Amino acid sequence: GEQVEQRPPHLSVREGDSAFITCTYTDPNSYYFFWYKQEPGASLQLLMKVFSSTEINEGQGFTVLLNKKDKRLSLNLTAAHPGDSAAYFCAAHDSGYNKLTFGKGTVLLVSP
Amino acid sequence: EAGVTQSPRYAVLQEGQAVSFWCDPISGHDTLYWYQQPRDQGPQLLVYFRDEAVIDNSQLPSDRFSAVRPKGTNSTLKIQSAKQGDTATYLCASSLGRGDEQYFGPGTRLTVL
Repeated sequence: GEQVEQRPPHLSVREGDSAFITCTYTDPNSYYFFWYKQEPGASLQLLMKVFSSTEINEGQGFTVLLNKKDKRLSLNLTAAHPGDSAAYFCAAHDSGYNKLTFGKGTVLLVSP
Repeated sequence: EAGVTQSPRYAVLQEGQAVSFWCDPISGHDTLYWYQQPRDQGPQLLVYFRDEAVIDNSQLPSDRFSAVRPKGTNSTLKIQSAKQGDTATYLCASSLGRGDEQYFGPGTRLTVL
């Protein structure tokens, strides 16, 4: 089945810096990909769904890049602020079984 | 529109006790998922339903865990005889159709002593 590796497990940046998180996956048939944010004690909040290959998708304060050739998904929080401090999870959707496989997460700390 | 709701929010058990978790998905969502999220890890799928039918329960420890969704709306996940290794947050999510975004509830944080 699908396996998703996410790096780094922990990331500490200063306010205004960029924070870059990468996921690699194994199943070339995975079609949809997601980024979720989880604040301490809270549930997962959907940030973005992506499915186009090699395309930059811009959200509010972040950029997502999917490269299907390399089987790589990345999230770049531009100009991070303390409110971005949370755990971030990538997930790959298995088209055959309608299942999400999550990475182990990245705990981001943005200090003032 | 109300999101996914779960209860209880917290549960503390001794080993061997039973516990049930309840989930109410977003209205109209036909697909419902139960995930286990150990501390400092990503969610791991236990079971999912489309309407009232179980589509995949291959990751559900069948000797102690069970899940039902009898009318295709609310769902219950039950642990018959909890073990310390079951300590985790149990998340419910729902979606509309295949490949669609999954929306997560607040979770139930289970501690087994």
